[in-house]
Amino acid sequence: SQQGEEDPQALSIQEGENATMNCSYKTSINNLQWYRQNSGRGLVHLILIRSNEREKHSGRLRVTLDTSKKSSSLLITASRAADTASYFCAVVGGSYIPTFGRGTSLIVHP
Amino acid sequence: GAGVSQSPRYKVAKRGQDVALRCDPISGHVSLFWYQQALGQGPEFLTYFQNEAQLDKSGLPSDRFFAERPEGSVSTLKIQRTQQEDSAVYLCASSLGRGQGGYTFGSGTRLTVV
Repeated sequence: SQQGEEDPQALSIQEGENATMNCSYKTSINNLQWYRQNSGRGLVHLILIRSNEREKHSGRLRVTLDTSKKSSSLLITASRAADTASYFCAVVGGSYIPTFGRGTSLIVHP
Repeated sequence: GAGVSQSPRYKVAKRGQDVALRCDPISGHVSLFWYQQALGQGPEFLTYFQNEAQLDKSGLPSDRFFAERPEGSVSTLKIQRTQQEDSAVYLCASSLGRGQGGYTFGSGTRLTVV
């Protein structure tokens, strides 16, 4: 399965700190995407990184991809209470069907 | 529309009842996906359409689940003879096409089978 697995399952930090969450997968990918989900809501697309890219930035988000280790990381800098949510990586292979892991639950304390 | 719209937002069904969940994707989006998300879990793939063609239905858990997208826009996920284990949030997502950027998700339908 290409399903991504996020680590850690839960993360609790103080406002202003950085949050790092990781995603590992098993097979070759076309791209990898990160999504955020607030409680009771749908998923919101954050950032997409293609298999030939190593790093991407979007505002306070930084994503890295290491295809040799089959892993990706999402860094949220200077976190805010509003960043509290679950974060999922979606692995997209040749079928272009995204598969998700169980997610990382992030709590940012004000 | 501006986003993916799903209806109803909440559905309570008695065990054995049939339900139909609707998804209105973003206009012009070719690809449409259905996912099932149990509490505390990630979304699990159910089925995928490209226009009106159902290209992959490998994630449908049983033959009680059926999805259609007859005109290549609105899609309906139907669950027959609902069981308690069908209780979950059903998410719909659409995209411009294969490999064309991220996917836009609807807010989901929360199905509770009692």
